[in-house]
Amino acid sequence: KAGVTQTPRYLIKTRGQQVTLSCSPISGHRSVSWYQQTPGQGLQFLFEYFSETQRNKGNFPGRFSGRQFSNSRSEMNVSTLELGDSALYLCASSLATGYTEAFFGQGTRLTVV
Amino acid sequence: DQQVKQNSPSLSVQEGRISILNCDYTNSMFDYFLWYKKYPAEGPTFLISISSIKDKNEDGRFTVFLNKSAKHLSLHIVPSQPGDSAVYFCAAPPGSGNTGKLIFGQGTTLQVKP
Repeated sequence: KAGVTQTPRYLIKTRGQQVTLSCSPISGHRSVSWYQQTPGQGLQFLFEYFSETQRNKGNFPGRFSGRQFSNSRSEMNVSTLELGDSALYLCASSLATGYTEAFFGQGTRLTVV
Repeated sequence: DQQVKQNSPSLSVQEGRISILNCDYTNSMFDYFLWYKKYPAEGPTFLISISSIKDKNEDGRFTVFLNKSAKHLSLHIVPSQPGDSAVYFCAAPPGSGNTGKLIFGQGTTLQVKP
């Protein structure tokens, strides 16, 4: 059974640009969540998508957005990049209901210069 | 507002000894907790979980204890092995009934010395 796949693994962007990250969840998982990991703030929840709808949202500015497709694959977009957006972006997939473990991808390391 | 706290940034133990990692939470509505292990440049890997209806859950070398009155949980690793050296996070879903949203602690870096 394939795990959670995130692409690309590494990305370097310039301030002011925008970026799109992709996540393919585990087959059968309908919930996809995104997290940002930075040294100072730890793992912070960005948002969760379920059945192509945003179900939960963290405390991030509107520059951070996402979407989910009918096959459960998800993308997140960050517009007008700032230096502080440099982080490891992690995607997790889980079953839509119940307390089960969330499985994480390897992440996308974004560096903004 | 840090609802899940891991107050020890790091822990060093000798191979074969017990490692105890601690986690505190502030929201009494939390009813499920998970521990993840993370190596550098990789995503977190699920280790073990516990529901608030239990006070202990064991899986091989890993045991999680939950003290609801103290809002405290701990992860015990016995015996510790060098391969256990990683960052450990505790996490909780905020009463949503699913794990689509997790609140993480700041993590504890465990070093197991051979």
